[in-house]
Amino acid sequence: AQRVTQPEKLLSVFKGAPVELKCNYSYSGSPELFWYVQYSRQRLQLLLRHISRESIKGFTADLNKGETSFHLKKPFAQEEDSAMYYCALSNAGGTSYGKLTFGQGTILTVHP
Amino acid sequence: DTGVSQNPRHKITKRGQNVTFRCDPISEHNRLYWYRQTLGQGPEFLTYFQNEAQLEKSRLLSDRFSAERPKGSFSTLEIQRTEQGDSAMYLCASSSTGGNEQFFGPGTRLTVL
Repeated sequence: AQRVTQPEKLLSVFKGAPVELKCNYSYSGSPELFWYVQYSRQRLQLLLRHISRESIKGFTADLNKGETSFHLKKPFAQEEDSAMYYCALSNAGGTSYGKLTFGQGTILTVHP
Repeated sequence: DTGVSQNPRHKITKRGQNVTFRCDPISEHNRLYWYRQTLGQGPEFLTYFQNEAQLEKSRLLSDRFSAERPKGSFSTLEIQRTEQGDSAMYLCASSSTGGNEQFFGPGTRLTVL
């Protein structure tokens, strides 16, 4: 069974500080990993995915298959980064292609 | 707004009543997903459509739940004989074949009294 674990439900940092949101997964196949974000009163939206290896809004995430992790990082947090962040996993093929398994989410608060 | 839309946005019902939610995906997307989200949890997969075919259903989808996508466009999710445990946010998402980004709707919040 596939599982995504986000160990921190709440994370608070000050503006300008580095931030790391942790995500660990368990999956026997070849997963695709995503970070989704939900800002206040907005719908869930994709932040980034591991296959694109891009930086979005200053955030990066590296898939570490050895540690089965996909932590989200940003060197200098901004107040507008305050949101709920979900790590999600999808299998990369088969009839379940695209089905997402989400972690419980981490609420990030960036204080001024 | 060309994004995914869901109606109604909120639904309050009494235990035992039937409810139906609608999802209109992005028009060119042939994949459609339903998820359920309870307080403090991430979304949980319920079911998946490729065009009009329902290809996967979660064990979470009991016999009281049924979903359809009759013409491969909009989808409905019906819950019969609602229970208080059905209270949750029901999310719909769509994506294109070969695309792995899912676009989410605003959700329908169901409260069962």
